[in-house]
Amino acid sequence: DGGITQSPKYLFRKEGQNVTLSCEQNLNHDAMYWYRQDPGQGLRLIYYSQIVNDFQKGDIAEGYSVSREKKESFPLTVTSAQKNPTAFYLCASSIGVMGTEAFFGQGTRLTVV
Amino acid sequence: SQKIEQNSEALNIQEGKTATLTCNYTNYSPAYLQWYRQDPGRGPVFLLLIRENEKEKRKERLKVTFDTTLKQSLFHITASQPADSATYLCALDGGGFKTIFGAGTRLFVKA
Repeated sequence: DGGITQSPKYLFRKEGQNVTLSCEQNLNHDAMYWYRQDPGQGLRLIYYSQIVNDFQKGDIAEGYSVSREKKESFPLTVTSAQKNPTAFYLCASSIGVMGTEAFFGQGTRLTVV
Repeated sequence: SQKIEQNSEALNIQEGKTATLTCNYTNYSPAYLQWYRQDPGRGPVFLLLIRENEKEKRKERLKVTFDTTLKQSLFHITASQPADSATYLCALDGGGFKTIFGAGTRLFVKA
């Protein structure tokens, strides 16, 4: 089945540690995105990539980093520089044409302990 | 900057009635607007897209309208069912390949 897979579903991190969230898609989509969702707020764009080996900052990129070495993979690293990392993280992909639907993964809930 | 407003209060309706959710936006003229459904602890699922030159779009029990003069979209679910209970997100073209999402409106359908 085609889809987008995020792992792990739940993640706990100690303050001061970096952590990497995985996102893999087998939809052959060119574009991939990372969003952060906090209670009562809309999804906020962290980073997006329109093609392999290229990515752009979204609205809240500070404290995060990404890579796009393969078309199907777009991992997100939450660094210790992110001041408030506890949130629900969502990865999405699309065919890359403006206005087309985004397919979302099931999300990773990150908690800093 | 672009802003999307969805009613933060939950909408409670009786099964069989029509649910109507509102999405208002400011400071922008989007080329398209999308609606997604999100269940608790899960990623959003795409429902409908409507473009700026379209007034209305239908899909089964769903209907979306797009009024670019009022800067508003209405999302209707007819003959609502308890299984329709979820949070519904409005999203609009943020320029380039960016999409801006609203905070969503929670819908509860009572049997």
